[in-house]
Amino acid sequence: QKEVEQDPGPLSVPEGAIVSLNCTYSNSAFQYFMWYRQYSRKGPELLMYTYSSGNKEDGRFTAQVDKSSKYISLFIRDSQPSDSATYLCAMITGTASKLTFGTGTRLQVTL
Amino acid sequence: DAGITQSPRHKVTETGTPVTLRCHQTENHRYMYWYRQDPGHGLRLIHYSYGVKDTDKGEVSDGYSVSRSKTEDFLLTLESATSSQTSVYFCAISGGAGGPYNEQFFGPGTRLTVL
Repeated sequence: QKEVEQDPGPLSVPEGAIVSLNCTYSNSAFQYFMWYRQYSRKGPELLMYTYSSGNKEDGRFTAQVDKSSKYISLFIRDSQPSDSATYLCAMITGTASKLTFGTGTRLQVTL
Repeated sequence: DAGITQSPRHKVTETGTPVTLRCHQTENHRYMYWYRQDPGHGLRLIHYSYGVKDTDKGEVSDGYSVSRSKTEDFLLTLESATSSQTSVYFCAISGGAGGPYNEQFFGPGTRLTVL
């Protein structure tokens, strides 16, 4: 079983929909959680970064961490075709120097 | 791409030939990483460096070696390329280790095909 599980999708939604992307993990030592967005044939870019449990909002994006359930989410409000990309979750303990990535969820926002 | 370049961006080579990929950064970040990305596997760490001449293995290091003689350059070498090493290779950098300093920033990638 992988340390981080992420549904690969693809997930197809209409423009304007609320999107929920999720990851589950098994290592309770993870403390820092990130979401990366990767457009086709590009490198991943950091989208959101959170520490421990709670919510963090940035424009149309909200990252949520529930450490008790070992579950993290990324919500996208008012989704746009430009949000079409692969979204990867990543996490790390407080002392490690290596991120653990999910496999990524491919999102398609249609007009 | 946060001051990270990779070269070459595309390469086609034959089985058994040596291949070297270069990652160059202008951010003066201490940590540098090499990943490969394959369908169904996501990003997998090959090797990483935590300083000049300081490197360590990742989860898929077999068949790869690395070197870092300067802060800004991190080289990935396939000593004898195999078809299983056909992949997209990404370099990443971060300012530190542990906690909030491990936000990693990625380069544009190198698409390698081994025939």
